[in-house]
Amino acid sequence: SQTIHQWPATLVQPVGSPLSLECTVEGTSNPNLYWYRQAAGRGLQLLFYSVGIGQISSEVPQNLSASRPQDRQFILSSKKLLLSDSGFYLCAAEQGAEGNTQYFGPGTRLTVL
Amino acid sequence: KNEVEQSPQNLTAQEGEFITINCSYSVGISALHWLQQHPGGGIVSLFMLSSGKKKHGRLIATINIQEKHSSLHITASHPRDSAVYICAVSSGSRLTFGEGTQLTVNP
Repeated sequence: SQTIHQWPATLVQPVGSPLSLECTVEGTSNPNLYWYRQAAGRGLQLLFYSVGIGQISSEVPQNLSASRPQDRQFILSSKKLLLSDSGFYLCAAEQGAEGNTQYFGPGTRLTVL
Repeated sequence: KNEVEQSPQNLTAQEGEFITINCSYSVGISALHWLQQHPGGGIVSLFMLSSGKKKHGRLIATINIQEKHSSLHITASHPRDSAVYICAVSSGSRLTFGEGTQLTVNP
C-alpha cells in the first residue's frame, strides 16, 4: 500500500519569507500527486496536481508554485509568503486511473505571522 | 451554491446511536468519496463508490446517482468515531470537497 510522507509537520514563518514543503510517496510508481490546502474552518481546496515528472497543473491563481522533480516527490513552494497562505497543507497520491482512491499524507500546518 | 453540500455541519450523538451524514452534489462525477479527518488533521479515505452501497465494519455508504445524493451511516456509534467526515466527488483528475461534518459522539 502507499505511504505518503510530508515534512515539516508544523511550520511558523514570517510574512515575506520563502517556503518549501516536501511530499514523498512510497509503495507505488507513477502516481498522480496532489497538493491541497485547508484554511481554518474551511473545506479542502485543490492547489496543484501532477500526472508525471515536470507536469504541473494549477487550479487557482496564487502565491504558490509546485514542482515534481522525481516520480515520487512533490514540492510546494513560495518565494514570499502572505498571511493568507496560513493553513493546513495536504499531499495526496492516487494510483492508476483518475477517480481512484486518494491516499493522504499527514499534512503540514503552516502559520504565517 | 457549492458543488458539494453536506448536512448537517455539526452533529452530536450519544454512544450507540445510529448516525447519518448526507451529501448532495450538483455536477457530473466519476466517483464519490467519504473521508475521515481526525483532530490532528490526518485524513483517511473511508469509501470510494460510484453506485449502490458499500459496507466496512460499522460504516455504510450509499449513493443514488439519479438523485445526486450519498449518505454515510455509522451504526452503534462510539466516541472514537468523533471526527470530521468529508464528502468529495471526483470528476476527471480532481476532487471537489464538501465543507465537512463535525461529528462528536459522547460516552
